Amino acid sequence: EVQLVESGGGLVQPGGSLRLSCAASGFTFSSYWMHWVRQAPGKGLVWVSHISSNGGSTSYADSVKGRFTISRDNAKNTLYLQMNSLRAEDTAVYYCARVRGLDTRDFDYWGQGNLVTVSS
Amino acid sequence: DIQMTQSPSSLSASVGDRVTITCRASQSISNYLNWYQQKPGKAPKLLIYAASSLQSGVPSRFSGSGFGTDFTLTISSLQPEDFATYYCQHSYSTSITFGQGTRLDIK
Repeated sequence: EVQLVESGGGLVQPGGSLRLSCAASGFTFSSYWMHWVRQAPGKGLVWVSHISSNGGSTSYADSVKGRFTISRDNAKNTLYLQMNSLRAEDTAVYYCARVRGLDTRDFDYWGQGNLVTVSS
Repeated sequence: DIQMTQSPSSLSASVGDRVTITCRASQSISNYLNWYQQKPGKAPKLLIYAASSLQSGVPSRFSGSGFGTDFTLTISSLQPEDFATYYCQHSYSTSITFGQGTRLDIK
């Protein structure tokens, strides 16, 4: 059974840092591109970042570029999102998501979501 | 970035109704259009990919159509478990965007 289990969220002050993790199981993690998508309270879905299967290619939304870093450890089957210089507008539930297949950018499995609250 | 606009933003319907949700892209995206269902407090669920392909395990009452800039999601006969928020998403380029969502609730 495919599972994506997220951890690392919580309350952080503006300007602070947090690292999210997404532990994958039930599939060959190293074969899949992975993404982060976030959802502010009561709002819609917003794409944040992606990383290629071998970690060699990454991309970011303009709103997080230069502050967030996506990475992965294929030996540990884990995806990460390092978030620095956090702002109130980064407050959201963060989801990791797996692409459905090679050369696709739709998401067939999602983590349970991890709430990040940026507040003093 | 490609902008995705859904209509309506909200919709009230009854069990057994046929419902259609529309998604329009700001430029042509071929068939790179996907639909998700999200229930409160839950992660989104993929329903339709590549505009009209039904994801495995999704009931056949869900269907999608469209090409280019205009797309639709149709639920042929609403069931109680279908009341949720629906999002379209383009996958035409690496800069993915979602529609703003359509909330479907019980009339």
